Amino acid sequence: SAVISQKPSRDICQRGTSLTIQCQVDSQVTMMFWYRQQPGQSLTLIATANQGSEATYESGFVIDKFPISRPNLTFSTLTVSNMSPEDSSIYLCSAGQLNTEAFFGQGTRLTVV
Amino acid sequence: GQQLNQSPQSMFIQEGEDVSMNCTSSSIFNTWLWYKQDPGEGPVLLIALYKAGELTSNGRLTAQFGITRKDSFLNISASIPSDVGIYFCAGHLSDTGRRALTFGSGTRLQVQP
Repeated sequence: SAVISQKPSRDICQRGTSLTIQCQVDSQVTMMFWYRQQPGQSLTLIATANQGSEATYESGFVIDKFPISRPNLTFSTLTVSNMSPEDSSIYLCSAGQLNTEAFFGQGTRLTVV
Repeated sequence: GQQLNQSPQSMFIQEGEDVSMNCTSSSIFNTWLWYKQDPGEGPVLLIALYKAGELTSNGRLTAQFGITRKDSFLNISASIPSDVGIYFCAGHLSDTGRRALTFGSGTRLQVQP
């Protein structure tokens, strides 16, 4: 299974600012995803990160708020833009191959004050 | 989005007891997965199910993929304190071909030593 590292592991940010979360996988993977887990809640898919093209966003999530990059098969970033306290969540990167189940990073715990 | 109804929401049991939790959906799933999430960590895959009716074990854990492909259960036998955590069911919807996951709401398990 792939090892997924996320940075930062946690951060406290001021409202109105932006934070970029990095996801590094130790091997090339076909699929990369970003999920959000609000306090005490389940995981909700934000978008599928596509290598070399624009991410595919789920209903309720837009590129202006959550820009995503995936320059290669091992790395992706998620930016949370113009943050508000409602953006306080755990953001999780997930990665895998087409014929295997995806694994998760340890998550980035974001608090917006 | 599609909903996975997971129950119970929480359980408080004595060490040594058996535990059962389940997920149901109005939609058909190609895959059922069970994850465990510890505090401050991402979800870790416990069991993956790929065929209707499939019954799979992983140590003290047993899970089944329902015949209708709309439900799954997870059993934990002889619980121990390290079983504490949040358990999520998840799956790949059959009509999309996507590899992104839909998650249940989670079952929070507490084990009294």
